[in-house]
Amino acid sequence: GAVVSQHPSWVICKSGTSVKIECRSLDFQATTMFWYRQFPKQSLMLMATSNEGSKATYEQGVEKDKFLINHASLTLSTLTVTSAHPEDSSFYICSATPGANTGELFFGEGSRLTVL
Amino acid sequence: AQSVTQPDIHITVSEGASLELRCNYSYGATPYLFWYVQSPGQGLQLLLKYFSGDTLVQGIKGFEAEFKRSQSSFNLRKPSVHWSDAAEYFCAVGAYEGNKLVFGAGTILRVKS
Repeated sequence: GAVVSQHPSWVICKSGTSVKIECRSLDFQATTMFWYRQFPKQSLMLMATSNEGSKATYEQGVEKDKFLINHASLTLSTLTVTSAHPEDSSFYICSATPGANTGELFFGEGSRLTVL
Repeated sequence: AQSVTQPDIHITVSEGASLELRCNYSYGATPYLFWYVQSPGQGLQLLLKYFSGDTLVQGIKGFEAEFKRSQSSFNLRKPSVHWSDAAEYFCAVGAYEGNKLVFGAGTILRVKS
């Protein structure tokens, strides 16, 4: 099946710094990517939808200035957590699809962020 | 708005016993339905999905799920559980457009020997 890769798998940073997480589709062109957040022992919550070449669409309650999403190419989307704080510590997972309504959705392995 | 309910937070079954994980959804039209499995600290692996057609769908690792429109359910089943099936299972529903998924809270499966 198609492969979606996230990097880094885990990152520890100091409070106040910014962290960038990459999501790459390795063997297909992803017109749309989604970013999810998963708190410990909880479900995945959709943060935003990212379409190549356009601004991301954020879900209600997600701070777009804090969670910057860029989808500059058909194989790469990035999530930057700006001025990270301990409450931003979470597991971030991306998913990618080659096209809307295809029903095909591929998830990355996830990135664990710990903010000290 | 779409929603997914997984009423069981934890389930414990004996190895070799049958398994059924419950999932109920709320969606205005015919949904896209998914079951994913997640091992600790890992990403999601798709077990199976339903879009249309036969309401009994077969997935990987011996799992199957049945879509029942009248009950708004999409329960996951396996006839004989293996210790390696211990993980967390998520049911999800998607709209026709965009492939955004709404996930249930998850069910943690424990397998006792």
